[in-house]
Amino acid sequence: SQQGEEDPQALSIQEGENATMNCSYKTSINNLQWYRQNSGRGLVHLILIRSNEREKHSGRLRVTLDTSKKSSSLLITASRAADTASYFCATDRRGGTSYGKLTFGQGTILTVHP
Amino acid sequence: DTEVTQTPKHLVMGMTNKKSLKCEQHMGHRAMYWYKQKAKKPPELMFVYSYEKLSINESVPSRFSPECPNSSLLNLHLHALQPEDSALYLCASSQIAARETQYFGPGTRLLVL
Repeated sequence: SQQGEEDPQALSIQEGENATMNCSYKTSINNLQWYRQNSGRGLVHLILIRSNEREKHSGRLRVTLDTSKKSSSLLITASRAADTASYFCATDRRGGTSYGKLTFGQGTILTVHP
Repeated sequence: DTEVTQTPKHLVMGMTNKKSLKCEQHMGHRAMYWYKQKAKKPPELMFVYSYEKLSINESVPSRFSPECPNSSLLNLHLHALQPEDSALYLCASSQIAARETQYFGPGTRLLVL
């Protein structure tokens, strides 16, 4: 499988519930980022977590990183209909000369029902 | 200004046409990127420019030709495309091409007939 695999592929919840998405990767990384994409539009950066960090918060978002398991999770609390979007993790691999090369996971499609 | 702009928003072209996609940022970023995204798939990196020099070419066919005229502008010249090249083309920028947040434009939706 590719660097940056996400699960679930699709998640459907009610407004007010929490949504958790997971991302696994294969190689050592410098950082891991989460992006949101509304249907057919550009990506919006949510959070960047560095390899020496374990948890990061931004508003209703909480990201964890476990480098020993090569995995990350994105938690959205108290979800809103406006959170409906695709969510991608993206890894920046450590080493080599591929500076700036982000590798995206397959994404999780989140649907929040009003 | 934290915006990356892309023109046009939509483009329909025949396989013999020559067209260009444009991308612009005024955040003082020195790295710019082109991605290709097919429906229901993640973005795939095509090119990286760092300080106006091409630093990464992900084995993209020569019918796609990038150009970085200055630190704020990035073009993607298209020639003799195939229908399978139809996709959303995303431009992004970051302060430098290393371990940084990338800021994306809204994309150009390309249809090749």
